[in-house]
Amino acid sequence: SQTIHQWPATLVQPVGSPLSLECTVEGTSNPNLYWYRQAAGRGLQLLFYSVGIGQISSEVPQNLSASRPQDRQFILSSKKLLLSDSGFYLCAWSPGQGNSPLHFGNGTRLTVT
Amino acid sequence: SQQGEEDPQALSIQEGENATMNCSYKTSINNLQWYRQNSGRGLVHLILIRSNEREKHSGRLRVTLDTSKKSSSLLITASRAADTASYFCATEPYTRNQFYFGTGTSLTVIP
Repeated sequence: SQTIHQWPATLVQPVGSPLSLECTVEGTSNPNLYWYRQAAGRGLQLLFYSVGIGQISSEVPQNLSASRPQDRQFILSSKKLLLSDSGFYLCAWSPGQGNSPLHFGNGTRLTVT
Repeated sequence: SQQGEEDPQALSIQEGENATMNCSYKTSINNLQWYRQNSGRGLVHLILIRSNEREKHSGRLRVTLDTSKKSSSLLITASRAADTASYFCATEPYTRNQFYFGTGTSLTVIP
């Protein structure tokens, strides 16, 4: 069966520090991968998605970037965090075929101080 | 923004009652999906309805879709305390590979 791992679960970082969040998927190949951000009490905002290695689409201009160095690995990064980067970051995957659901990791709670 | 909206934002009912939440979206879609999120956790997929379908059932869940009004509803029958969670709709446009979520409905089921 397929599983998705996302870490760390919580992170507290000072303003101006770098960020690296990692997500890996097991049990499937060539998945579509996604990064979402959820502000407190709000809906999910699509940040990045990838349909293959090295293929990244950005939805929202921001202080973040994403990379997909391997088929089942998706990394969210920032060179310098802002206070507004605080939130709940969720990684997800889908099989990439039409009419398939998203499968989410457990999320990373990021607090920028 | 392609984000949809859920209505109501919050809903509180007694155990055993039915809960209905609505979703409106903006673009033409390939499908619409409903997800559940327990506090501080990732989302769990509940049900998917394709754009050419009008109604779908799964256990105690009933979903309707009206593409002419760009709206959907989720009905949870005979609610239980364990149904307490936030519920989100998500749309996949015809362009595919993207999923846009609504703002969510926070459901509280009182035992």
